[in-house]
Order: sequence, then C-alpha cells, then structure tokens
Amino acid sequence: GAVVSQHPSRVICKSGTSVKIECRSLDFQATTMFWYRQFPKKSLMLMATSNEGSKATYEQGVEKDKFLINHASLTLSTLTVTSAHPEDSSFYICSARAGASSGNTIYFGEGSWLTVV
Amino acid sequence: GNSVTQMEGPVTLSEEAFLTINCTYTATGYPSLFWYVQYPGEGLQLLLKATKADDKGSNKGFEATYRKETTSFHLEKGSVQVSDSAVYFCALSVNSGYSTLTFGKGTMLLVSP
Repeated sequence: GAVVSQHPSRVICKSGTSVKIECRSLDFQATTMFWYRQFPKKSLMLMATSNEGSKATYEQGVEKDKFLINHASLTLSTLTVTSAHPEDSSFYICSARAGASSGNTIYFGEGSWLTVV
Repeated sequence: GNSVTQMEGPVTLSEEAFLTINCTYTATGYPSLFWYVQYPGEGLQLLLKATKADDKGSNKGFEATYRKETTSFHLEKGSVQVSDSAVYFCALSVNSGYSTLTFGKGTMLLVSP
C-alpha cells in the first residue's frame, strides 16, 4: 500500500543551526503534502500546506522564514527549521494526499523528533 | 472554528476488556469524522471514518458512530488485544477533499496481557 516516509526519525541539533526533514511518498505522487507539529499532550497542529511547484501556504502564526518548506517534486517535500532554538523542539509529522482516483486519501509519515540543545 | 476534544490518556486495559475513547467536536459546516491510529514507530493510519450523521465507521473490530445531536464520534471495541496498544487520534475535516484535518490531542491505549 501507499507509504509516506520521513527522514530522519530523530535528530538532535545545536541551537542556531538549521535542520532539514524530508517527507517522501514512496509509491504514489502527491501534489499536496502537509506539515504538522505536535507538542507534548497537545493536538497535531497544521503548520503549512505544501503544493508541488508553488509556494507553501502557512497557517496563521507559523513563521515562513523560520520553517522553510520546499516541494520540488511530486514525491518529496522538505521542511527546514532555520536557526533552531530549544523551543522548536517538537514532533514534526508530514502527510501526503493521493489523487482523486485514490479517493484523496491522506497518508502520514512516521514523524520526526527534533531536539534542539 | 473547528476543534476536537478527546479523552486524556493513557487508557490502561487488560486484554479482552471493552474500550471506549470519547471524542467530541465543534465545526463550522458539516464535517467528516475520522479516527487515526499510530502504532509505535509508525505513521498515523486511518482506522475508520464517517461522512454523515448516523453513519457508523468500522474496521478491525473498532467502530464509531457519527452523532450529530451530541457532536460526538466515540471509538469503541468490544474486546481489545495487546496489539491494539497505540495512540488514537480523533479528527475532522470540513473540506470535501479531506485536505485539512483538525486533530484531537491523541489518546494512548495500553493493553496488558
């Protein structure tokens, strides 16, 4: 079945550095991917919607210059956390939407734990 | 706005016990309702869904009924197994393409032998 893969699953980075998280749809093309973050004991919060070949649409309150999203191909979207700080430590999860022929089904990645020290 | 409230966990049960995880929602418009499950080390997977009032979604022994009058979508299973241990997320979408999902906080279920 359709699979969405995220990499890395866990990453630790130093404060002030940037870190990139990849989201790949492995056996289907996804024109739309979504990035969420989840704080402990909180809901998954949609950060942005990533459309292949165009700029991402960010949710209110999400800094687009800090959370750079690139959707360069139909199977890959990346989230780059720039100048990371400890408060950016969180669980980041992506999802990808299969096409209308697949019922617009949304598939999720495994998530990525980011720890900024 | 849209929001989903689900019971706090963890929910700890013995094998073969009855499970209920409560979920209520508020929504602008007529939402579709979902339950997702996340097993350890894996991504969220759609467990079941219901798109209109009184619909019952069911899968793998789990079921949930869309109750518009009580704005609820409680998840139930008659007899849980150890392999059901996971985090369960209730969610809604008001888009026909299910493009924007609003999630609850998730409820961890721990089933012991």
